[in-house]
Amino acid sequence: GAVVSQHPSWVICKSGTSVKIECRSLDFQATTMFWYRQFPKQSLMLMATSNEGSKATYEQGVEKDKFLINHASLTLSTLTVTSAHPEDSSFYICSAPSHGTAQETQYFGPGTRLLVL
Amino acid sequence: AQSVTQPDIHITVSEGASLELRCNYSYGATPYLFWYVQSPGQGLQLLLKYFSGDTLVQGIKGFEAEFKRSQSSFNLRKPSVHWSDAAEYFCAVGENRDDKIIFGKGTRLHILP
Repeated sequence: GAVVSQHPSWVICKSGTSVKIECRSLDFQATTMFWYRQFPKQSLMLMATSNEGSKATYEQGVEKDKFLINHASLTLSTLTVTSAHPEDSSFYICSAPSHGTAQETQYFGPGTRLLVL
Repeated sequence: AQSVTQPDIHITVSEGASLELRCNYSYGATPYLFWYVQSPGQGLQLLLKYFSGDTLVQGIKGFEAEFKRSQSSFNLRKPSVHWSDAAEYFCAVGENRDDKIIFGKGTRLHILP
């Protein structure tokens, strides 16, 4: 079946540095991908919609200058957390819809756990 | 705007007992409904989904859910739970098959031996 991968699976960084997270659709093309954030013991909150070839659409309250999204190709979206701070520590999950498949319409990546010291 | 309510934050059942997790949604048209399960520290696994047709949906791991438009509900059920079912369960709604998914706050299921 269709698979979405994320890299890295976990990352630890110092406060003030930037971190890039990749989301790849491995055997299908995705013109749209979604980025979610999940704090411990909480639900997934949609951050933004990544659109191939155009600007991302951010949910209300999400700082677009802090969370840079680039959908460079039909199989890759990246989320860069700029000038990361401890409050950005979270579990980041991406998803991609696979058009035309019968089994599942949204494929979720395994997530990236970010810890900012 | 779409929204999903899972009224139970925690549910505890004995192994072998039946289970029902509640989910209510708010959406004007016919929603696309999902149930996902997440084990600690893990990603999401789709249990089942409803787009149209038969309102009783069968999923993986012996789970089923019933869409009730009159009650705006999509409750998840399992006749007999196993210890391995202990996890966080999320109900979610989307506007269409490929659109963003809005998640409920989740219900944590605990299983008593």
